Amino acid sequence: ETGVTQSPTHLIKTRGQQVTLRCSSQSGHNTVSWYQQALGQGPQFIFQYYREEENGRGNFPPRFSGLQFPNYSSELNVNALELDDSALYLCASSLDLGSGYEQYFGPGTRLTVT
Amino acid sequence: AQRVTQPEKLLSVFKGAPVELKCNYSYSGSPELFWYVQYSRQRLQLLLRHISRESIKGFTADLNKGETSFHLKKPFAQEEDSAMYYCALRGLEYGNKLVFGAGTILRVKS
Repeated sequence: ETGVTQSPTHLIKTRGQQVTLRCSSQSGHNTVSWYQQALGQGPQFIFQYYREEENGRGNFPPRFSGLQFPNYSSELNVNALELDDSALYLCASSLDLGSGYEQYFGPGTRLTVT
Repeated sequence: AQRVTQPEKLLSVFKGAPVELKCNYSYSGSPELFWYVQYSRQRLQLLLRHISRESIKGFTADLNKGETSFHLKKPFAQEEDSAMYYCALRGLEYGNKLVFGAGTILRVKS
């Protein structure tokens, strides 16, 4: 069974640019959540996708958007990058949407905005 | 509002000493509480959840609704317990959204 994978591992962008981060769910998982982890902080929920539909969003502006594909892989897009967007971005997949399902985290993508 | 507070950024203990990592939460309903652990150069992983009421790697945590706490305890710390520990909350009406504390680094010294 393959775990959650994320790409790229590291990324450096300039303020104002756009970035796309990718996540492959664990096999059979239909729910993906994205989190932002700033230095010295715990992960903060961005949004969640269930069967290709957004299902819940945290306190992030609309320039943070996402997609989930039919194979349940997912993308996180961030437009008009700001310096404060520098963080570790984590995705987590779970077998289904219900509260009883464990979330499995990927290794993260480290984004640096200069 | 949902909030998780871990008051200690760093907890340093000697091998064999008891460990207690503190976690307090704020939530108006009935939450699920979790402890996640991140070992060096590894990904975040679930350690235990309050509804399971089980002991994992010698760690236990009891949900105290009166004190809104979910402290993580282990009677005898081992060097391999050194890691970053995050307490997290999930409100049942918010699907799978997890709210994390800022984390506590546990260092077990030999």
